[in-house]
Amino acid sequence: AQTVTQSQPEMSVQEAETVTLSCTYDTSESDYYLFWYKQPPSRQMILVIRQEAYKQQNATENRFSVNFQKAAKSFSLKISDSQLGDAAMYFCAYLVEEGGSEKLVFGKGTKLTVNP
Amino acid sequence: ETGVTQSPTHLIKTRGQQVTLRCSSQSGHNTVSWYQQALGQGPQFIFQYYREEENGRGNFPPRFSGLQFPNYSSELNVNALELDDSALYLCASSVGLAGLSYEQYFGPGTRLTVT
Repeated sequence: AQTVTQSQPEMSVQEAETVTLSCTYDTSESDYYLFWYKQPPSRQMILVIRQEAYKQQNATENRFSVNFQKAAKSFSLKISDSQLGDAAMYFCAYLVEEGGSEKLVFGKGTKLTVNP
Repeated sequence: ETGVTQSPTHLIKTRGQQVTLRCSSQSGHNTVSWYQQALGQGPQFIFQYYREEENGRGNFPPRFSGLQFPNYSSELNVNALELDDSALYLCASSVGLAGLSYEQYFGPGTRLTVT
């Protein structure tokens, strides 16, 4: 069964500092997709970054980057120069193709607090 | 480009009642997925619709049903509501299957409270 584990229920960071959120997953597939989503108090899930498993290069989107370790099944998110607007729940997700559908399997999330 | 919209924003129902939630997909997207997010949890996949057909379902009972319309908008229906159905219901749209974008874009959700 595909599972996603986020071992840090809560994290905090000072404004302008760097923080890393952890995620591990379990799969027997060799090709798959991983995502980080942000959910602010407004509730809307916002796609932050995605990683294709066949790509060795780590994905980067502005201040957000990932450390993808395929053998270890690890997919951490690094936020550089943290801003107050980064405060939110962050969910790691794995895309499963099953019976013709594509579904996201989510972790339980990490609540990120940014201190001024 | 219009994003994913959902209605209503929130509603309160009584146990045993029925509810219909609505979702309009992002322009150009032909696939809609529904997720249930209980308080303090990550979203759980309910089902997915591609070109008006259900093409995948999570571990939810048959009283959770859906529809997709020719314009790719979608409805989620829940019959015989139970207290545990209280949750945030999220709709996500994507370019599915042949389009293969693999990215799902979410609406703001509907908060359902069952009393």
